[in-house]
Amino acid sequence: NAGVTQTPKFRILKIGQSMTLQCAQDMNHNYMYWYRQDPGMGLKLIYYSVGAGITDKGEVPNGYNVSRSTTEDFPLRLELAAPSQTSVYFCASSPEGGELFFGEGSRLTVL
Amino acid sequence: AQSVTQLGSHVSVSEGALVLLRCNYSSSVPPYLFWYVQYPNQGLQLLLKYTTGATLVKGINGFEAEFKKSETSFHLTKPSAHMSDAAEYFCAVRFGSSGDKLTFGTGTRLAVRP
Repeated sequence: NAGVTQTPKFRILKIGQSMTLQCAQDMNHNYMYWYRQDPGMGLKLIYYSVGAGITDKGEVPNGYNVSRSTTEDFPLRLELAAPSQTSVYFCASSPEGGELFFGEGSRLTVL
Repeated sequence: AQSVTQLGSHVSVSEGALVLLRCNYSSSVPPYLFWYVQYPNQGLQLLLKYTTGATLVKGINGFEAEFKKSETSFHLTKPSAHMSDAAEYFCAVRFGSSGDKLTFGTGTRLAVRP
């Protein structure tokens, strides 16, 4: 059982470049989330989705976009990367009202 | 505003000693409460959760937590620390008004001394 799979695990970007972080889950969860983790700051919610075709902003959405065309996939798009987006990104999924299951994270550095 | 506070960003205990990690939340309505653990270079794993019912919740690896409504607290404890408990611990809260979103505390890094 793969759970939540994130790719890539590591990436270095130059300022102004764009990229997509991929997230896939095989647990048939309707709810999916993207968080970023910065030292001493805990996890901050970027975007979330309650089902295919439905997305909404979290606490720190600026500079990011998401889409949810299928139940399984929830990619996060970074447009015009900035050093402030250097972080570890976690994707998670959950059944309604249940616990979150996390991927192993994607470490992004913007230089 | 609804918030989650973890007191102490770093806690150090000796092997075999009691582990106590503190978590308080601000909400007038009892929320759902979670503790997650993160080992180096890994994602977060659920330790335990409180939704309804018994206020003392037992989790994996010998950890437990007690929901105290009057104190708006959900502290995590383990009677005897093991070297393998060294990790970062996050308290998370699902507030009633936030749908299924979790709000995380800033984390407590636990070090275990031999």
